[in-house]
Amino acid sequence: AQTVTQSQPEMSVQEAETVTLSCTYDTSESDYYLFWYKQPPSRQMILVIRQEAYKQQNATENRFSVNFQKAAKSFSLKISDSQLGDAAMYFCAYRSANNDMRFGAGTRLTVKP
Amino acid sequence: DTGVSQDPRHKITKRGQNVTFRCDPISEHNRLYWYRQTLGQGPEFLTYFQNEAQLEKSRLLSDRFSAERPKGSFSTLEIQRTEQGDSAMYLCASSLLGAKGYTFGSGTRLTVV
Repeated sequence: AQTVTQSQPEMSVQEAETVTLSCTYDTSESDYYLFWYKQPPSRQMILVIRQEAYKQQNATENRFSVNFQKAAKSFSLKISDSQLGDAAMYFCAYRSANNDMRFGAGTRLTVKP
Repeated sequence: DTGVSQDPRHKITKRGQNVTFRCDPISEHNRLYWYRQTLGQGPEFLTYFQNEAQLEKSRLLSDRFSAERPKGSFSTLEIQRTEQGDSAMYLCASSLLGAKGYTFGSGTRLTVV
């Protein structure tokens, strides 16, 4: 079964600095998708960024980028120029082609002014 | 369309009572998913529908849990004979068939007293 592991329960970053959140996953499949979701205190999950496993190029969305290492089954999220509004729970998620999405336990990010 | 709607936002019920939650997905989305999220954890998959067909229900937590999507539009999740351990946030998400990511609702928080 596919599992997603986030080894950092909490992270903290100074406003305007850069932070990296870690995620590893376990799968025997070759075709899948990886996601980072943000869940602010209001609790609605918001898609931050996604990566298709067949793409070698790392996805980027404005201040958010990923480091996708397929052989190592690693999918980290880098947040540049951190803003107070980035404070939230961040969940890494895995989805294979026709299956449901599986989530890690999350990392709580605090942004210090 | 304002996204995925869930009703109610909060539900407090006495142990042993039945509860039903509703999810209205984005109108053109044919897939609908239910997740449970306990405090400090990532969402845990329960079941999903493609149109009105329930394609996966083996991970519903017990036979007290059931879900329907009778006309392929809104869905309901029912928990019978609630227990204190059922207290959690119940999240609904929807997507188009073949879409890579999901759109989540704000969730229904259940408290069983």
